This record gives sequence, structure tokens and C-alpha cells, in this order.
Amino acid sequence: DVKVTQSSRYLVKRTGEKVFLECVQDMDHENMFWYRQDPGLGLRLIYFSYDVKMKEKGDIPEGYSVSREKKERFSLILESASTNQTSMYLCASSQIDSLDTQYFGPGTRLTVL
Amino acid sequence: AQRVTQPEKLLSVFKGAPVELKCNYSYSGSPELFWYVQYSRQRLQLLLRHISRESIKGFTADLNKGETSFHLKKPFAQEEDSAMYYCALSGTGGGNKLTFGTGTQLKVEL
Repeated sequence: DVKVTQSSRYLVKRTGEKVFLECVQDMDHENMFWYRQDPGLGLRLIYFSYDVKMKEKGDIPEGYSVSREKKERFSLILESASTNQTSMYLCASSQIDSLDTQYFGPGTRLTVL
Repeated sequence: AQRVTQPEKLLSVFKGAPVELKCNYSYSGSPELFWYVQYSRQRLQLLLRHISRESIKGFTADLNKGETSFHLKKPFAQEEDSAMYYCALSGTGGGNKLTFGTGTQLKVEL
């Protein structure tokens, strides 16, 4: 059974802080994704990665960066958190084929004060 | 650019009534379409994909290329169907990158 875990369920940070969100998957998936989920806006792709040390921008990469040093781990970094980054962040992983299921983590609810 | 439109934010139906969640897409190539579902306090998960032509939990979805639609249907709604439903498209860029719609909250009332 595929398992995607995220380091925190709830996180509260202050404006200007550097924030790390961690995601780990245990199914040896090539692809990993970071989304943010906002009411009325659905899921929007921030960054994704096809392989270790490889990353590509999604639809809303501004203000975010990512790191994938190991295949199973994909980190989302907010270099200087802002209040408009308050959101639910979802991590997902999948095999490389376009028809493959994306498996989602439980989400991290980030509040930036 | 690819886009997915779900025109209804909220759909409320009575138990036993038919359900249709609308999804329209914009994509110049041959799309691969999916429905994902998120039940209360659970993870987002795949419900079905168009290529499989399957029925999951009584739900079906047919890809209509002429109308660029992929509506989700169920003949008789059940209380446990209450959830947030997202339509998603896999197209350009490869690697299973998905574009999601804004979601429709389905509420099944007794």
C-alpha cells in the first residue's frame, strides 16, 4: 500500500521566516509533486520532480523552491514566508507514466501570521 | 494552455436522486482525464480515469471530445458520496503532471 507522509499536519509561522515542508514516499516513485489547495481555487501545482536533483516549475512557483536529494524525499521551501502563502499544502507521488495514479499525503495546513 | 472547468462549487441532491458533476476541459491534444475525490478528513484519492472506462462506487464518466466534457455521473446518490470532487487533466509536459479543476462539493441530503 502506497504511503505518502508529510512532516507536519499543522504549522504556524511568522512573516519572513524560512519554512520547510517535508514529504516522503515509500513506493520508489519517480515523480513527486507539491500543490497548494485553496477554497474556490482547487489544487494548483507549485513544483514537481521527475527524478533525484531534478525539478520543474509548476503553475505557481513564485515564492517557493524545492529540493530532491533522495528519491523518496521532496521538500518544499518558503524562503521568506508571507501571509498570502497561508494554505493547505499537499504532496503527491506517482510512477512516471501519464496514466498513473497520483498518491497524496494528508496535507500540511500552514498559517503565516 | 490546458484548463479544467468545474462550474459548480456546490451541488446538493437528495439521497436516491441522480448525480451529475460537470467537468469541461480545454486542451489541444489528446487528453487523459481523471476524477479525484476527497472525503471529509481523508486524503485526496483517485476515483476513476477515463481510459479504464470503469465504474467505481457506482460512478461513471464518459469522455466526450466533441463537447470537451468529462462529466461524473451516478444514478442513485448515497449519503457516503458526500465529498469534494476534482476533475483533472494530464496533457502537455508529460510525467503525469495534472491540471485540476476548482472542485465541486457534493452534499447528499437525507
